Amino acid sequence: AQSVAQPEDQVNVAEGNPLTVKCTYSVSGNPYLFWYVQYPNRGLQFLLKYITGDNLVKGSYGFEAEFNKSQTSFHLKKPSALVSDSALYFCAVRLTGFQKLVFGTGTRLLVSP
Amino acid sequence: EPEVTQTPSHQVTQMGQEVILRCVPISNHLYFYWYRQILGQKVEFLVSFYNNEISEKSEIFDDQFSVERPDGSNFTLKIRSTKLEDSAMYFCASLLIAAPSEQYFGPGTRLTVT
Repeated sequence: AQSVAQPEDQVNVAEGNPLTVKCTYSVSGNPYLFWYVQYPNRGLQFLLKYITGDNLVKGSYGFEAEFNKSQTSFHLKKPSALVSDSALYFCAVRLTGFQKLVFGTGTRLLVSP
Repeated sequence: EPEVTQTPSHQVTQMGQEVILRCVPISNHLYFYWYRQILGQKVEFLVSFYNNEISEKSEIFDDQFSVERPDGSNFTLKIRSTKLEDSAMYFCASLLIAAPSEQYFGPGTRLTVT
């Protein structure tokens, strides 16, 4: 069965510092990997995805993520955090041939001024 | 930019009542989904819908749930007889094609069952 783990419930970082939000996955085939962000009282907004090719993918708002097949990880990163990045971040996986996204439990990012 | 919309934003209902949650997917999208998020928990897949039929569903999506695309624009989730544990945020999503595109999510409907 597919599963996604986000080991940190919350990540705290000061504005201007780099941030990392961790995600590991467990699937039996080739995964498509996604990051979504959820602001208060809003739906899930797509940030970026890994399908194939370059292991470093760039997305919206300056975010990027690195796919590491040997470590089965897909950590979200940003070189310089903004207070406005504070939100709930979800990692998700989808197997080829299947429709559903399987989400992690989410990581709350708090960026302090 | 086109977006998925959902109505109502908040629905309060009594246990045993039927509810219908409504979604308007992005107009040229072909695949439609419902997910739910119980407060403080992760987002869970309920059902996917393509070509006027269910293409995949989870174990959560039992006989109490049904989906319909009654016209060319709306996509609905019906819960026949609500239970307390159905209280959650329900998200609709749509997808243009089955290739590895991202799903676009609506803002959600918060369902409270009392």
